Amino acid sequence: GIQVEQSPPDLILQEGANSTLRCNFSDSVNNLQWFHQNPWGQLINLFYIPSGTKQNGRLSATTVATERYSLLYISSSQTTDSGVYFCAVKYGGADGLTFGKGTHLIIQP
Amino acid sequence: DVKVTQSSRYLVKRTGEKVFLECVQDMDHENMFWYRQDPGLGLRLIYFSYDVKMKEKGDIPEGYSVSREKKERFSLILESASTNQTSMYLCTSGRGFSYEQYFGPGTRLTVT
Repeated sequence: GIQVEQSPPDLILQEGANSTLRCNFSDSVNNLQWFHQNPWGQLINLFYIPSGTKQNGRLSATTVATERYSLLYISSSQTTDSGVYFCAVKYGGADGLTFGKGTHLIIQP
Repeated sequence: DVKVTQSSRYLVKRTGEKVFLECVQDMDHENMFWYRQDPGLGLRLIYFSYDVKMKEKGDIPEGYSVSREKKERFSLILESASTNQTSMYLCTSGRGFSYEQYFGPGTRLTVT
């Protein structure tokens, strides 16, 4: 099956800092999503981005499908950005999404 | 806005009980999925459905069954709950397999 690797696994930043989270995948995909899991466990959709670049407020994402990676940028971090960020992909041979192990982000005040 | 709801946020059941977890979506999505999330193991697909009355096994279907009698509702059934089914259960829906999927809030199930 496909491998999805996220880096870094853990990240601690001060409020106001910028960060870049990376997702590498080992095969062609036809769906890629970024999620934020909040402290209550809910997975919140951030981006649906199988290719290209999108922006939503302080967050943006870029997927370079030909090179099999995606980046999530968080600018001017706030404490509410804390949580686990997951990258998930759908590839041809699978039924559901395949998730990376996540990046655990802590934003300190 | 897409809304996916799950019947309970927290649930405590005893070993051997039959447990029903319900998921409802309001966007007329064809596809619905059940995952469980465990520390160190990540999210794993249990069952999915791509139409009413249709169901397919995911990666870890053992000990579970599902029901989809209406398009908007997808139920996960633990026939005889066991302690190793203590987990966070997450439901998703989407218009198709390659389209964006939306998660419900999750159900934290504890089996004692």
